[in-house]
Amino acid sequence: AQSVAQPEDQVNVAEGNPLTVKCTYSVSGNPYLFWYVQYPNRGLQFLLKYITGDNLVKGSYGFEAEFNKSQTSFHLKKPSALVSDSALYFCAVSPFSGYALNFGKGTSLLVTP
Amino acid sequence: DVKVTQSSRYLVKRTGEKVFLECVQDMDHENMFWYRQDPGLGLRLIYFSYDVKMKEKGDIPEGYSVSREKKERFSLILESASTNQTSMYLCAAAQGGIYEQYFGPGTRLTVT
Repeated sequence: AQSVAQPEDQVNVAEGNPLTVKCTYSVSGNPYLFWYVQYPNRGLQFLLKYITGDNLVKGSYGFEAEFNKSQTSFHLKKPSALVSDSALYFCAVSPFSGYALNFGKGTSLLVTP
Repeated sequence: DVKVTQSSRYLVKRTGEKVFLECVQDMDHENMFWYRQDPGLGLRLIYFSYDVKMKEKGDIPEGYSVSREKKERFSLILESASTNQTSMYLCAAAQGGIYEQYFGPGTRLTVT
């Protein structure tokens, strides 16, 4: 079965500091990994994805994620956090031959001024 | 950008009612999905469709059905609403396979 785990329910960081939101995955075969963000009372917005190639993936709003096959991780990062980055972040994995995404339970990011 | 719209942002229904949630996408994408989102549980897949009139059960299909008569429209049906179906319902569309999904704004359904 394809699954992802987000070990932290909440991450707190001060504005201007680097942020990391963690995600680990469990798949058979090649993983296709995604990050989404959800702002209050909104649907999910796509941030970035890893399909193949360079382990460092750059996405929207200055976010990036590093794919680490040996640690089965796909952590989301940003060098300098903004208060407006406060939101709910979801990691997701797509089965090798399937269509649907399996989502993690989400991590709430709070950036304080 | 793909635009996915959902018929209602907020909906209140009574136990036992038949409920229709509508989703429309404007980019001719093959795949459409229905998820429900609950605090602490993340998103769970209810049903998805990879073509008109085609559907596949997701992880939690019990108590739900779907309809896709046209490519742009994917409906979720609660045959007899129950209080444990109170949730946020999210529709998504994707080009296919491993492409990213585009989500609608969600419908917050309350069943009393």
